[in-house]
Amino acid sequence: GNSVTQMEGPVTLSEEAFLTINCTYTATGYPSLFWYVQYPGEGLQLLLKATKADDKGSNKGFEATYRKETTSFHLEKGSVQVSDSAVYFCALSDRGGATNKLIFGTGTLLAVQP
Amino acid sequence: ETGVTQTPRHLVMGMTNKKSLKCEQHLGHNAMYWYKQSAKKPLELMFVYSLEERVENNSVPSRFSPECPNSSHLFLHLHTLQPEDSALYLCASSQDVVTPGELFFGEGSRLTVL
Repeated sequence: GNSVTQMEGPVTLSEEAFLTINCTYTATGYPSLFWYVQYPGEGLQLLLKATKADDKGSNKGFEATYRKETTSFHLEKGSVQVSDSAVYFCALSDRGGATNKLIFGTGTLLAVQP
Repeated sequence: ETGVTQTPRHLVMGMTNKKSLKCEQHLGHNAMYWYKQSAKKPLELMFVYSLEERVENNSVPSRFSPECPNSSHLFLHLHTLQPEDSALYLCASSQDVVTPGELFFGEGSRLTVL
């Protein structure tokens, strides 16, 4: 079945460092891809998305490009801040059965130190 | 209020208790979801409701019983739970269940089963 694999955390960086969080997927068809972020004590919120191959999603300085040839959707940011400390989830839409549901990865904890 | 609200935020219960989790969305959405979030595991989709009708039940044990009295409210009734059911339970809503789009999450209810 469809699935998402993310790099295990935690990822610990100093402020202003470059961030990459890897995400690869297995899917039949052409899913949409998403990154969600969960700040401490909060629910998940959408960070960015891409709906077709070669699309680049971007928001708040984060970017991810839908790479069909490598089945990847890696999250990047050029200069992280302490306020970016959170858990990041990669997800894909899975049109299985009657619903278009999201399949999530395990999440990657990012800790940014001042 | 705006967004998705979940109550209670924290719940401790014994294995013989009966309790309920409540979710309310103020977004005018037609679909609501229950997810289970456990450490180091992908988010598990439990139930999906579309216009108050259950459209997905992902092999969830019968000790979890959902109820959707209207499109704004969703409950998860809990009875005779096991310690392994301890987790963060997240409610989410979306415009509908068909279009791959954004899910809006509540902050979650942290459940501890003793």
